[in-house]
Amino acid sequence: QSVLTQPPSASGTPGQRVTISCSGSRSTIGINTVTWYQRFPGMAPKLLIYSDNQRPSGVPDRFSGSKSGTSASLAISGLQSEDEADYYCTAWDDSLSGHWVFGGGTKLTVL
Amino acid sequence: EVQLVESGGDLVQPGRSLRLSCAASGFTFDDYAMHWVRQAPGKGLEWVSSISWNGVATGYADSVKGRFTLSRDNAKNSLYLQMNSLRAEDTAFYYCAKATCSSINCYGGAFDIWGQGTLVTVSS
Repeated sequence: QSVLTQPPSASGTPGQRVTISCSGSRSTIGINTVTWYQRFPGMAPKLLIYSDNQRPSGVPDRFSGSKSGTSASLAISGLQSEDEADYYCTAWDDSLSGHWVFGGGTKLTVL
Repeated sequence: EVQLVESGGDLVQPGRSLRLSCAASGFTFDDYAMHWVRQAPGKGLEWVSSISWNGVATGYADSVKGRFTLSRDNAKNSLYLQMNSLRAEDTAFYYCAKATCSSINCYGGAFDIWGQGTLVTVSS
């Protein structure tokens, strides 16, 4: 069971807006920033969102991140077929000796 | 081109050891902390270990603490993960990833560059 909780699946049709949630705790999302990664099967993960809501260069502005309290969300607007992938959230966990934690991942299907 | 290339993955028996390597290029290696993340078959991503820019600070997931040791050679732009007492549950693709800062964790930190991974299979 992951420290960060994500829905196992999400779906949408082309052009739609889809959101993926990531629920944590005070020691994770509550006091640390959230990062999102996109991963296609057989490929290395790709940095999508960092510092809760910042996009690296090259990431389309269709992708956006937000955070409130101990939860974060990734939103994808204008959904495209090539967005079909697995999405993971991660954050530093200040509990115990400190460690990185990942969400269980959300498989996004474009219908 | 910024690149990370992992090597060393193999099929090993339970209880044996294996050393993974990660060769970095295209960036100033000793400016950044580095991480290992793994993905077991059918599972999600799991953080394994991190090391600071100078190798002084390291961190390990509870699942590998006491069995895995992370080190780096900044002169060779290389990262090493020594894995001892391997278990079946260590079977996974192992990815090395570059941090966006010099310490294991920093506010706003992320893993911005990833290698393609190397497969470790632990089975008798």
